[in-house]
Amino acid sequence: DTGVSQDPRHKITKRGQNVTFRCDPISEHNRLYWYRQTLGQGPEFLTYFQNEAQLEKSRLLSDRFSAERPKGSFSTLEIQRTEQGDSAMYLCASSLFSGGLTGELFFGEGSRLTVL
Amino acid sequence: QKEVEQNSGPLSVPEGAIASLNCTYSDRVSQSFFWYRQYSGKSPELIMSIYSNGDKEDGRFTAQLNKASQYVSLLIRDSQPSDSATYLCAVILPGGFKTIFGAGTRLFVKA
Repeated sequence: DTGVSQDPRHKITKRGQNVTFRCDPISEHNRLYWYRQTLGQGPEFLTYFQNEAQLEKSRLLSDRFSAERPKGSFSTLEIQRTEQGDSAMYLCASSLFSGGLTGELFFGEGSRLTVL
Repeated sequence: QKEVEQNSGPLSVPEGAIASLNCTYSDRVSQSFFWYRQYSGKSPELIMSIYSNGDKEDGRFTAQLNKASQYVSLLIRDSQPSDSATYLCAVILPGGFKTIFGAGTRLFVKA
């Protein structure tokens, strides 16, 4: 399977704990995105990488959120000191940018976080 | 004003009818537009992209773009119960980096 994979698929944690999600993009894709989605809403942009460089981070993200993409391959999204409001589906997507008007996103299955 | 706006629905159509989904966007300079389909409990999947004014057809799906009106639509002909899903309109903002999604329109196709 050469699609986008995310791990874990489900995470239940207690408020105040740290959680980390991993995303493995499609191997030839150079762009990687993290989104958050809650029930009845569209995906909300969190952050974006081109290769290993994090080019933008949403102003909606607090300092408790951090993302990395070492060596331009897989990416991790860490949430420190989780709060109940962090409960959501965290979606990773990748795309291949080679110039021009492109940008189709390919999503993983998501990591569902429940904070008790 | 939200960057991408959609009617949340639900939109209910009978099997075999045409479903029409609409979207408006706020940034006039945006150039890339997409429709994603999301089944309940699943992640979004791309069904159409459109970059130029006019219509683009792919099977039962037609995307329409009017940049002057900042309006994108998706028509689904011969709607099937399997088309029942949430349809997300997405726009790449100027700069070409960030894709912003609307809240989605829920479509129900009644057999």
